[in-house]
Amino acid sequence: DAGITQSPRHKVTETGTPVTLRCHQTENHRYMYWYRQDPGHGLRLIHYSYGVKDTDKGEVSDGYSVSRSKTEDFLLTLESATSSQTSVYFCATGSAGTDTQYFGPGTRLTVL
Amino acid sequence: AQSVTQPDIHITVSEGASLELRCNYSYGATPYLFWYVQSPGQGLQLLLKYFSGDTLVQGIKGFEAEFKRSQSSFNLRKPSVHWSDAAEYFCAVDSTTSGTYKYIFGTGTRLKVLA
Repeated sequence: DAGITQSPRHKVTETGTPVTLRCHQTENHRYMYWYRQDPGHGLRLIHYSYGVKDTDKGEVSDGYSVSRSKTEDFLLTLESATSSQTSVYFCATGSAGTDTQYFGPGTRLTVL
Repeated sequence: AQSVTQPDIHITVSEGASLELRCNYSYGATPYLFWYVQSPGQGLQLLLKYFSGDTLVQGIKGFEAEFKRSQSSFNLRKPSVHWSDAAEYFCAVDSTTSGTYKYIFGTGTRLKVLA
């Protein structure tokens, strides 16, 4: 494991509320990623980071924003949660040159 | 655009039987290919990866996969399945063209093992 933790592990919230999910890594990996996992879709990339303060959009970025102020932390924010954002969210990290991603345990988010 | 297809949503095998999970990709250049396994309620664990060289790659837990460029496939195999192999399996291709190591995942194959 790459020492990846996600918090919270479970969250239930209401439509329209802001939500922030945190990913923390202890491996000093340069790259960090946020995915969502939904039945029938596999994992889809939301946003990724290739360094502190360097982020870019993935395949399904609408309604999400990210921030990375430190190497070890990558935050995913849902500015105004919607029911379509009910999902399991995974954080992953990767180091330059290995091209291998390591995954956190996931956060199950339910938006009512 | 790059894509990954796992044509089998569910597969059921008996314990001790052989297993093959299919993965086809669409990618213009030589791909980097991966297989991950996800046990219920867990994150994804890397089983094996192909970058270059020998087209038959060995992974953890007795799994292997063969890269076939002519068929655009990277199928996962195991000669004898154990009950603990019941999980969901994901194939992925590294779609990076700019060094950001972005994956595209297939939709997954859920494996059920009968005792």
